Amino acid sequence: DGGITQSPKYLFRKEGQNVTLSCEQNLNHDAMYWYRQDPGQGLRLIYYSQIVNDFQKGDIAEGYSVSREKKESFPLTVTSAQKNPTAFYLCASRSSGSHEQYFGPGTRLTVT
Amino acid sequence: KNEVEQSPQNLTAQEGEFITINCSYSVGISALHWLQQHPGGGIVSLFMLSSGKKKHGRLIATINIQEKHSSLHITASHPRDSAVYICAVMEYGNKLVFGAGTILRVKS
Repeated sequence: DGGITQSPKYLFRKEGQNVTLSCEQNLNHDAMYWYRQDPGQGLRLIYYSQIVNDFQKGDIAEGYSVSREKKESFPLTVTSAQKNPTAFYLCASRSSGSHEQYFGPGTRLTVT
Repeated sequence: KNEVEQSPQNLTAQEGEFITINCSYSVGISALHWLQQHPGGGIVSLFMLSSGKKKHGRLIATINIQEKHSSLHITASHPRDSAVYICAVMEYGNKLVFGAGTILRVKS
């Protein structure tokens, strides 16, 4: 089945540790996105990539890093510099010929 | 002021009721999306529209570009419709800006 997978669904880390969230898609989409969702707020864009080996900062990129070495994969690293990392993280992808984004199931990160 | 405002924030309805969720935006857009997020967190796209009206089953979405307003209607609501409904606008440049969502609970 074509789709987007994110793993794991739940992730727990101690403060001060870096953690990498996985996002993989087999839809052959060029563009991929990372969003953060906090209670009572809309999704906010962290990073996006329109093509392999290229990515741009979104609205809240501080404390995060990404890579796009393969078309199918767009991992997000939450670094120790991110002040409030506990949140729900969603990955999405989009075909270059469409406006529609497809979302993964999300990863809930808890940092204590 | 947020670029995308949804109302109401929370909505409780009885099964069978007609439901309307509203979305107003303040920026120029190329398209508007209605998304559904279930308690597990996954998001599915319900509609993408840039003008007029679309219908899918019991769901209807309308948009008025001049008034910068869209509505999502659910006819004959059912408890399985309980979810968070999110309005998102596609700014020129393919950037999505999201509303905070409307939490819908349909009671049987």
